[in-house]
Amino acid sequence: DGGITQSPKYLFRKEGQNVTLSCEQNLNHDAMYWYRQDPGQGLRLIYYSQIVNDFQKGDIAEGYSVSREKKESFPLTVTSAQKNPTAFYLCASSISSWADTQYFGPGTRLTVL
Amino acid sequence: AQSVTQLGSHVSVSEGALVLLRCNYSSSVPPYLFWYVQYPNQGLQLLLKYTTGATLVKGINGFEAEFKKSETSFHLTKPSAHMSDAAEYFCAVSDSYNQGGKLIFGQGTELSVKP
Repeated sequence: DGGITQSPKYLFRKEGQNVTLSCEQNLNHDAMYWYRQDPGQGLRLIYYSQIVNDFQKGDIAEGYSVSREKKESFPLTVTSAQKNPTAFYLCASSISSWADTQYFGPGTRLTVL
Repeated sequence: AQSVTQLGSHVSVSEGALVLLRCNYSSSVPPYLFWYVQYPNQGLQLLLKYTTGATLVKGINGFEAEFKKSETSFHLTKPSAHMSDAAEYFCAVSDSYNQGGKLIFGQGTELSVKP
């Protein structure tokens, strides 16, 4: 079955540590996205990539970094510079452009202890 | 700038009653409009979308939405609520003139269904 996988489902980290969230898709989609979800705030875009080896900052990129070395993979690193990293992180992909439907993974819940 | 407003962060209906979730948007050009559903601790699933053409859009699970340009609205409805409809619903808008068609989400509406 085609889809998007995110791992791990739950992640705990200590303050000051970097952590990397995995996102893989086998839908052959060109575009991939990372969103952060906080209660009552909807989804906010962190980074997006429309093609391999290229990515752009979204609305809340500070304290995060990404890479896009393969079409299938778009990992997100939450760095120690992110002041309030505890949140639910969602990865999505679409065929190419913003007008296309975005398909979401199951999410990773990150908790900073 | 684009924005999406969902009226009511929580909506409660009885099983079998009409479901109406409200969404208003702002966009300077014709938008693409989406409704997604999210069950607890899961990702988002597309219910329906409007791009061009017929303004009444039918989606999965018996939901539909109508694009009303004059009212800048895209309200989601379902004639008869089922217990399995309890979830959070997000309206989203995109247009090609705003940062390459960025997808902007509303704050979400949590739907509760009473037996």
